[in-house]
Amino acid sequence: LAKTTQPISMDSYEGQEVNITCSHNNIATNDYITWYQQFPSQGPRFIIQGYKTKVTNEVASLFIPADRKSSTLSLPRVSLSDTAVYYCLVGFRDNYGQNFVFGPGTRLSVLP
Amino acid sequence: GAGVSQSPSNKVTEKGKDVELRCDPISGHTALYWYRQSLGQGLEFLIYFQGNSAPDKSGLPSDRFSAERTGGSVSTLTIQRTQQEDSAVYLCASSSPDSLNSPLHFGNGTRLTVT
Repeated sequence: LAKTTQPISMDSYEGQEVNITCSHNNIATNDYITWYQQFPSQGPRFIIQGYKTKVTNEVASLFIPADRKSSTLSLPRVSLSDTAVYYCLVGFRDNYGQNFVFGPGTRLSVLP
Repeated sequence: GAGVSQSPSNKVTEKGKDVELRCDPISGHTALYWYRQSLGQGLEFLIYFQGNSAPDKSGLPSDRFSAERTGGSVSTLTIQRTQQEDSAVYLCASSSPDSLNSPLHFGNGTRLTVT
């Protein structure tokens, strides 16, 4: 299974850009990189997914270097409501099983 | 539209009793997952259903845990002879058949407390 490493926690202030980097040295050819956000007492929520280069949507950007051994989730101009746990997943699934695991995630605290 | 629905939202049971947790996935989603999350921890994979294929049960922690998915829709996770270490939030997720790497849509979980 593809293993990921992320910082356990990060602090930021409102209005700043936050970058959370995930290391995945043993990423395989078929693996995608997916990020989820989780608030207390809720299930995780999909943020963004990518395979290579850069992906951007209305809430975040995902930067993936050419070797794909790491990825960076970028949250522009965070607000207090972005305080949550962010999970990086690497892997894929097929009809026979799934090979990704959720790690402990990064606990982001946005301060006023 | 309706998201993934789990019931009950909270369950308190005595050690040794059996419990059943229910998951209603998003209509049309062919993949369904169960995860377990202990307080302050990440998600622990339990079981994965994909269409009519045999489920991937590799994450079930013991033979006291089982799950079924009837008619390719609703799923039930059963824990027999519950133990205190089974206390956790049990999360269900489903995903679209559009692609095998479609994002997971999670319910808000069932918080199980074994006393």
